[in-house]
Amino acid sequence: NAGVTQTPKFRVLKTGQSMTLLCAQDMNHEYMYWYRQDPGMGLRLIHYSVGEGTTAKGEVPDGYNVSRLKKQNFLLGLESAAPSQTSVYFCASSDLNRGNTEAFFGQGTRLTVV
Amino acid sequence: AQKVTQAQTEISVVEKEDVTLDCVYETRDTTYYLFWYKQPPSGELVFLIRRNSFDEQNEISGRYSWNFQKSTSSFNFTITASQVVDSAVYFCATDRGSTLGRLYFGRGTQLTVWP
Repeated sequence: NAGVTQTPKFRVLKTGQSMTLLCAQDMNHEYMYWYRQDPGMGLRLIHYSVGEGTTAKGEVPDGYNVSRLKKQNFLLGLESAAPSQTSVYFCASSDLNRGNTEAFFGQGTRLTVV
Repeated sequence: AQKVTQAQTEISVVEKEDVTLDCVYETRDTTYYLFWYKQPPSGELVFLIRRNSFDEQNEISGRYSWNFQKSTSSFNFTITASQVVDSAVYFCATDRGSTLGRLYFGRGTQLTVWP
């Protein structure tokens, strides 16, 4: 029972490089999210998706793009990485059923931009 | 707007002490959920509890208990007889009734339990 899987777990980028973080869930959830966690800041929502083919901005979307081409996958892209994007990134998914709004989180991706 | 305040940045206790982690939330919604997550040193987020805004009953699960009071907009978490394995960062969060699981997190409380 894999749940939510993030790839990669660690990455070091140079300023200006691009990369894509992959999130895959096997629970057939409609909703998927990307959060970032910075020291002392808790988790903040970057982008989210309410279904295949849809995306929406969260609290801190600048510098990121996302795509949800398949229901089970949610990609987070950094087109030109900046040191301010050094963070731990968490993907999550949740069920459309209102009685089950628990968000299931991936194990996190630690990204360092130098 | 949703807001969650965890005023305690760090708490240190000695094993077997009881400890309460405070959480105060702000919302204009009448329907919402409140959550607690644990983040151990390994970094993953572990779901602990979800509470519906219409259910103010306190809940106990083993050494964990939660006190939800709408009158003070608080959802506090108590660990009884703390253990070293309880050392972690604990996050309180809420979601808006209209956004089905989009979570707003507090900044977290680092709990250290000393042997």
